[in-house]
Amino acid sequence: EAQVTQNPRYLITVTGKKLTVTCSQNMNHEYMSWYRQDPGLGLRQIYYSMNVEVTDKGDVPEGYKVSRKEKRNFPLILESPSPNQTSLYFCASSLLPSLAGGWSYNEQFFGPGTRLTVL
Amino acid sequence: TQLLEQSPQFLSIQEGENLTVYCNSSSVFSSLQWYRQEPGEGPVLLVTVVTGGEVKKLKRLTFQFGDARKDSSLHITAAQPGDTGLYLCAGADSNYQLIWGAGTKLIIKP
Repeated sequence: EAQVTQNPRYLITVTGKKLTVTCSQNMNHEYMSWYRQDPGLGLRQIYYSMNVEVTDKGDVPEGYKVSRKEKRNFPLILESPSPNQTSLYFCASSLLPSLAGGWSYNEQFFGPGTRLTVL
Repeated sequence: TQLLEQSPQFLSIQEGENLTVYCNSSSVFSSLQWYRQEPGEGPVLLVTVVTGGEVKKLKRLTFQFGDARKDSSLHITAAQPGDTGLYLCAGADSNYQLIWGAGTKLIIKP
């Protein structure tokens, strides 16, 4: 079954304690990204990756790190979490966007989400 | 930063009624997608529109991309409780970023 998996689904931690949220996809997608979702703000992109070893900042990258050592995995790292990083996090993957008369995004496949609380 | 404004933010209606959700921007998008998200899950793609003026239908859902590719609408005919969810629009901008609206929370009461 084609899917994006995230772990853990729920996490409660304390300020300053490093954590990693894993993301894995089995669809051989080149494009992967991380979003956070907060009430009234919609989805905001944290980081994205167009391929292995290629990552770039999204709209809200401060306080986060990512890596793309393998095509299927795209972990999100919070080196020193703070309460303002309490949020619902989603990983997504897709084929690369195509340029044909303007950028066109392919279907984004989302993981089930990770609800993070930082105390 | 380009913005995509969705309206209304919240809509609660009775089963069988019709409704329209809007997604507006002052910027031009090369393509626009609509997703539906149910509680505890990630968003799932409903449709992608690419051409200005394009209309796509998915059963009782009708999607339209504005002629100038700055806005889009989602119309649901005879809403059903199964249509309940958060509807999100996302547009591809000139910097190949996907810009997301804040969403419309839709509740259909039996």
